[in-house]
Amino acid sequence: QKEVEQNSGPLSVPEGAIASLNCTYSDRGSQSFFWYRQYSGKSPELIMSIYSNGDKEDGRFTAQLNKASQYVSLLIRDSQPSDSATYLCAVNSRNYGGATNKLIFGTGTLLAVQP
Amino acid sequence: DAEITQSPRHKITETGRQVTLACHQTWNHNNMFWYRQDLGHGLRLIHYSYGVHDTNKGEVSDGYSVSRSNTEDLPLTLESAASSQTSVYFCATKDRQNTEAFFGQGTRLTVV
Repeated sequence: QKEVEQNSGPLSVPEGAIASLNCTYSDRGSQSFFWYRQYSGKSPELIMSIYSNGDKEDGRFTAQLNKASQYVSLLIRDSQPSDSATYLCAVNSRNYGGATNKLIFGTGTLLAVQP
Repeated sequence: DAEITQSPRHKITETGRQVTLACHQTWNHNNMFWYRQDLGHGLRLIHYSYGVHDTNKGEVSDGYSVSRSNTEDLPLTLESAASSQTSVYFCATKDRQNTEAFFGQGTRLTVV
């Protein structure tokens, strides 16, 4: 089982709709979770970080975390064509000694927002 | 502004040659990472370092090496380049546990 799993997509949504991106992780003890956006040919850039169960909102973006279900999601409201990109989920990994500084990434979900 | 600079941005090399990709950061972060990105595989960790003289293997470390002689630099060396190492390579840095990573612009390496 991969440590971080995402549906590769593509996920196609019409402009103005809500895009929902999902991620599951295998390490129940993981403590920090991140969503990155990556445009084609560019490097990943951080959109959201979340550490506690529940929702965290920042503008049109909402991250949701459910540690019991080992599930983290990203909602994009009022989707715009400029949101078309690959969205990467990342989890801070752990070893027997506790939290590490390594970020483990999912394979990413390609989002296409149709005008 | 603090930044991460990777060089070269693009490189074509021949099979069997030794190649070194540079990563220089001005964030003053102790933690530095090298990832490769391939279609269908996402970002996979090659090597990482938690500080000067510290290096660790990631999930896809075979054929690669790193050394850390100062805080700012973590060069990635391909000892004998293979076609399977054709990829986009990203350097990243991180301040401490449970914080986000910052990425360089990437290096596109083609091994022919």
